[in-house]
Amino acid sequence: GAGVSQSPSNKVTEKGKDVELRCDPISGHTALYWYRQSLGQGLEFLIYFQGNSAPDKSGLPSDRFSAERTGGSVSTLTIQRTQQEDSAVYLCASSLAGGWAVSYFGPGTRLTVT
Amino acid sequence: ELKVEQNPLFLSMQEGKNYTIYCNYSTTSDRLYWYRQDPGKSLESLFVLLSNGAVKQEGRLMASLDTKARLSTLHITAAVHDLSATYFCAVAGDNNDMRFGAGTRLTVKP
Repeated sequence: GAGVSQSPSNKVTEKGKDVELRCDPISGHTALYWYRQSLGQGLEFLIYFQGNSAPDKSGLPSDRFSAERTGGSVSTLTIQRTQQEDSAVYLCASSLAGGWAVSYFGPGTRLTVT
Repeated sequence: ELKVEQNPLFLSMQEGKNYTIYCNYSTTSDRLYWYRQDPGKSLESLFVLLSNGAVKQEGRLMASLDTKARLSTLHITAAVHDLSATYFCAVAGDNNDMRFGAGTRLTVKP
């Protein structure tokens, strides 16, 4: 498929456990974004990658959150010691040229922390 | 920090009526995007506005951008039920990051 893919699609975890979310952007897209969307809410910006570097990490809610991108392609978002307030849909998007191009969104990972 | 505000957040319309959704942003930018999200689905791109005065139209939706006023509008003409969705505007910042408004949840009633 040519679109953005995310895995897993759903994740249920116990409070205190670590989780890793994966995003496969569209091939050739240099920019990659992570957002969080709580039920019925807007999109909360988490982090933006241009290539493998993250010029803007200001959106990460706490030091329990980290993200990396390797080879200018796949990105992982890691949440350590999950809390119930981390429950949300985590959306990944990629674009050809950052803010100069349309972002294409993946289907999201629904995270539920029990 | 770039902030993006949309209003209204909730909009209930009768079919056939017209309405406008507003998107204000806090810093200079000439790159603005509109997206649509259906319930339980991800976001899909509607419009890309890349200059002051840009106007784009698709069906019953028309988007415009005024960079001097830091304002974009999404105008709905003669609404139909299948336009019911949540509409988001997004603005590109100086770092090429993208910040989204809170979304406008549109419901079109018969």
